[in-house]
Amino acid sequence: GESVGLHLPTLSVQEGDNSIINCAYSNSASDYFIWYKQESGKGPQFIIDIRSNMDKRQGQRVTVLLNKTVKHLSLQIAATQPGDSAVYFCAETSLPLYGNNRLAFGKGNQVVVIP
Amino acid sequence: DTAVSQTPKYLVTQMGNDKSIKCEQNLGHDTMYWYKQDSKKFLKIMFSYNNKELIINETVPNRFSPKSPDKAHLNLHINSLELGDSAVYFCASSHSGAGRSGYTFGSGTRLTVV
Repeated sequence: GESVGLHLPTLSVQEGDNSIINCAYSNSASDYFIWYKQESGKGPQFIIDIRSNMDKRQGQRVTVLLNKTVKHLSLQIAATQPGDSAVYFCAETSLPLYGNNRLAFGKGNQVVVIP
Repeated sequence: DTAVSQTPKYLVTQMGNDKSIKCEQNLGHDTMYWYKQDSKKFLKIMFSYNNKELIINETVPNRFSPKSPDKAHLNLHINSLELGDSAVYFCASSHSGAGRSGYTFGSGTRLTVV
């Protein structure tokens, strides 16, 4: 479970509604971005990625939008389900993932789905 | 069948002790990492190894010593444990190269120093 006093940005969403999670990234040289989902007691799990030559990419119930001008990334979850309750992280890097290039994670966003 | 496995899952120990966390991946990846997640859920890289060679060492106290006996294993040994070392430690692995490649994470080791 969560630590006492934990103050993550939290999005409470009704089951079936759409969720939008936002992320501001820091490095204008980053060209590859990933959204991760972390459920309680588990490691981060890959959801969807996007390269800097795209501004939108869709997966199953998820869409990632990239605005390089303002260094902003968002994750949209359609028809949110109870299983979507988790902490969501954006991560940025420069490809290739080699040498000093590494995934840098943003602050997590807690999503709580209300049945 | 677990892609990235860490042991132990929980570790409670006293200050001053020395402990190790083990990590193994069966994905055929050539790069492995250790990340530390603090109480605010912030994930920060500690080390990366590529084909057993240390690549990234992020201003981590030298009480922390990673060891990679082969490219499928990356262990973390911590000497003289301190209260501030309490955190969740995640191992991850990836393919290096120009293509898209995220990290695959283990399920974490929750270290509590008392």
